[in-house]
This record gives sequence, C-alpha cells and structure tokens, in this order.
Amino acid sequence: NAGVMQNPRHLVRRRGQEARLRCSPMKGHSHVYWYRQLPEEGLKFMVYLQKENIIDESGMPKERFSAEFPKEGPSILRIQQVVRGDSAAYFCASSPEQSSTDTQYFGPGTRLTVL
Amino acid sequence: AQSVTQPDIHITVSEGASLELRCNYSYGATPYLFWYVQSPGQGLQLLLKYFSGDTLVQGIKGFEAEFKRSQSSFNLRKPSVHWSDAAEYFCAVGIGGYNKLIFGAGTRLAVHP
Repeated sequence: NAGVMQNPRHLVRRRGQEARLRCSPMKGHSHVYWYRQLPEEGLKFMVYLQKENIIDESGMPKERFSAEFPKEGPSILRIQQVVRGDSAAYFCASSPEQSSTDTQYFGPGTRLTVL
Repeated sequence: AQSVTQPDIHITVSEGASLELRCNYSYGATPYLFWYVQSPGQGLQLLLKYFSGDTLVQGIKGFEAEFKRSQSSFNLRKPSVHWSDAAEYFCAVGIGGYNKLIFGAGTRLAVHP
C-alpha cells in the first residue's frame, strides 16, 4: 500500500509565478490536510479537505492561496503570484475518516523555493 | 488558545544514554497527543499517540511517552538512544472532531558516538 505521495518534491519559482503542489492520499483515504513548515519552525495547519469539500481553511492566507480535492485525482494546493515569504516545505497528510482518533499519515513534502 | 511548547530547541546525548524530550500543551478539553519524528529532508513519521486510557504509551523504535494531566505534559522518553535516532522530534495536540494538529516548534536531537 503506497503511502501519501507528493509532487514535485522540489519546486523553484520566481516571484510572481504560480506554484501548484499535488498530494495523492493513501489508498482508501478520503481526507486530506495541508501543513506548511517555515525554516526552523514547526508545522502550521493550513487547510482540511474531504472529496469536493473544504472543511476548514482557517490556516490559509486569505489571498493567493487556494486548495481543492476533486472527486477524481490528487489534492492541489495552489499559490498564485508567489513571494519570497512563501518559501517553505509544504506537507500533505491523509486519514481514512473524519475522526478525532484517526492518525494522519504524512507525505514527504514539497520544498518550495521562491527566487 | 491551543498551543504546544517544546522548551528544548536542541538536545545532544551520547549513544546509549537515556533521553527525555519535553512537551507541554495548552488545550481546554481532553487532548489527543502525538509525537512525530522527522529525518532531514523527509516527511513526518508517527512515533506514538495518546487518546485515552493508560497514561504511559508505547511507540515504535523503543520510544514511550507519559501523559500527565496535572502538568499538561506529554514527555517522550527512550532508555537507550541509538545514533539513528538523530532527527527532529515534534509534539502535537489534535483538536476538533477531525484532529487538526497543532505542532510544537520541534526539538532537534543530536547523538554523539
């Protein structure tokens, strides 16, 4: 059973470009979480999605950031008009159900560098 | 507001020595608590978790953690550290019905031979 997959693993963008980060959850998981890890910091929650629904986006910046988890295909975290401060590692996690006792399984992350 | 504090940013121990990593949380309800480990350039791996019941929790790789409600703590321990344990360790509390994780800033562990 493949784990959570994220691609690309490394992404370099120039200021003003768009970044698209993809996350394929574990087989059988229908819940996806995105977290951001700034250099020398812990992970910060960004958004929680189920298939075709955004459940909690309280950690998402109000502008330039969006996330989706379509019925088919991976979850996408999209950052428009990137700035240097967006440079970070972005981690996706998945769980099988919406439950307070479910474990979240993390992907290897996408490391975004904005030049 | 919910928060997790890991007071030690860096810890260095000798191989074979015992280890304790501290974690304190702030959360009004019954906490769900987690320890994750992150190796350089990698994602996070779950070491152990506490939801209820026995306050001493056993995890993978010989780690254990003890939940102490009176101290709002969930410290991670290992009796004998191996060089391969060198990594960054994150404590987290899960909140809400879907376990949104609030992470501490992490403790970076170095192991001397």
